[in-house]
Amino acid sequence: LPVLTQPPSASALPGASINLTCTLDNEHRTYTIEWYQQRPGRSPQFIMKVKMDGSLIKGDGIPDRFVGSSSGAERYLTLTNLQSDDEADYHCAESHTIDGQVGWVFGGGTKLTVL
Amino acid sequence: EVQLLESGGGLVQPGGSLRLSCEVSGFIFGSYAMNWVRQAPGQGLEWISAITGDSGRTYYAGSVKGRFSVSRDNSKNTLYLQIDNVRVDDTAMYYCARTSRGANDIWGHGTLVTVSS
Repeated sequence: LPVLTQPPSASALPGASINLTCTLDNEHRTYTIEWYQQRPGRSPQFIMKVKMDGSLIKGDGIPDRFVGSSSGAERYLTLTNLQSDDEADYHCAESHTIDGQVGWVFGGGTKLTVL
Repeated sequence: EVQLLESGGGLVQPGGSLRLSCEVSGFIFGSYAMNWVRQAPGQGLEWISAITGDSGRTYYAGSVKGRFSVSRDNSKNTLYLQIDNVRVDDTAMYYCARTSRGANDIWGHGTLVTVSS
């Protein structure tokens, strides 16, 4: 199964930009991933899909401040002009079909603190 | 408005059973595959089950296979998750989510399952 690795925490000041990283294991480095935002006490919200070539599918209503990109096995979510409302856990995930079996794998999540 | 509303959670003793429901509105339920995802207290997200729109195929994470059963009633716009022989480590918030274009694009608010004696 694919393995997705995320740093457990990140922080930045309001108005700054920050890159959140999701690293795929080498065997699955070509996979598409999704980013989800989960504010404290809330359910996750879909942000976007990021493909290996950097192309994106964004969720409805996601602001332009949220930018996705890709490099090798790494998938990025860049948040620009950080706002206090961006403080949340950010999860990456991928879906796969292996031997006819569908499954999803989530990374451990990154807790973003807006200082 | 698209909505997913989970119910059926609560306190259950180890070895017991419960059935979670996810009632949806605002879209053609039978046209979408659905997922169940859980989150233990203070932990990350864990996918546990998926079902196709026509109930033709069901899928499970290895950690729950044999104890969990997913189903749906498209005439009632409702998704179900039957949990048998519950264990303490099944304690979690359980979310249902709609799958669209390969992503979980809409999530419910969750229902909390607590397993304790």
